[in-house]
Amino acid sequence: GAGVSQSPSNKVTEKGKDVELRCDPISGHTALYWYRQSLGQGLEFLIYFQGNSAPDKSGLPSDRFSAERTGGSVSTLTIQRTQQEDSAVYLCASSLWIGRQSTGELFFGEGSRLTVL
Amino acid sequence: AQSVTQPDIHITVSEGASLELRCNYSYGATPYLFWYVQSPGQGLQLLLKYFSGDTLVQGIKGFEAEFKRSQSSFNLRKPSVHWSDAAEYFCAVVAAGNKLTFGGGTRVLVKP
Repeated sequence: GAGVSQSPSNKVTEKGKDVELRCDPISGHTALYWYRQSLGQGLEFLIYFQGNSAPDKSGLPSDRFSAERTGGSVSTLTIQRTQQEDSAVYLCASSLWIGRQSTGELFFGEGSRLTVL
Repeated sequence: AQSVTQPDIHITVSEGASLELRCNYSYGATPYLFWYVQSPGQGLQLLLKYFSGDTLVQGIKGFEAEFKRSQSSFNLRKPSVHWSDAAEYFCAVVAAGNKLTFGGGTRVLVKP
């Protein structure tokens, strides 16, 4: 597609349930990032994938959070046993790499708003 | 570790007035610096970026930013603000690892 696509745009779930958030990056972009934006907070880095390299998971807040990227394209962020503090907007972004260096510009999706009751 | 600080959480400016948003970064070498804008209900959009060279960079929507190494700053400016500039603005830095680190954001309100 023309831009980064995320689904669902809104998700309301009950505490303790698992949720999956999907990201479809821009075609040809080899790097994919997940960020979290909580109310009144900035953007918190969660995880990033680049090509076939091992993902940088340094931002995942707990082992309830995981992400995978299948076939170097679509990514799924999974939150297990959701807690109320997981309520946030989850943003996905992709970027183009030239050689071994990112061009630096991230293209963001519109986010998935997660509400945990 | 790299970090970005935006000292102003909120700024209110009159339409037609000038705007300056502050950004300070912490990183040992010269980082790649960015400003993004997030308009209500929309995703983040890149306004401008600095990699190297001329320290005054021009961006979209009439914005510019100046990199000052001595002050570890990358402030964003616009000479004359339009009502459509009301949004949240994020400064960001990429250093080692190609990971983009964002500041806390500055929310800009535009008075008519």
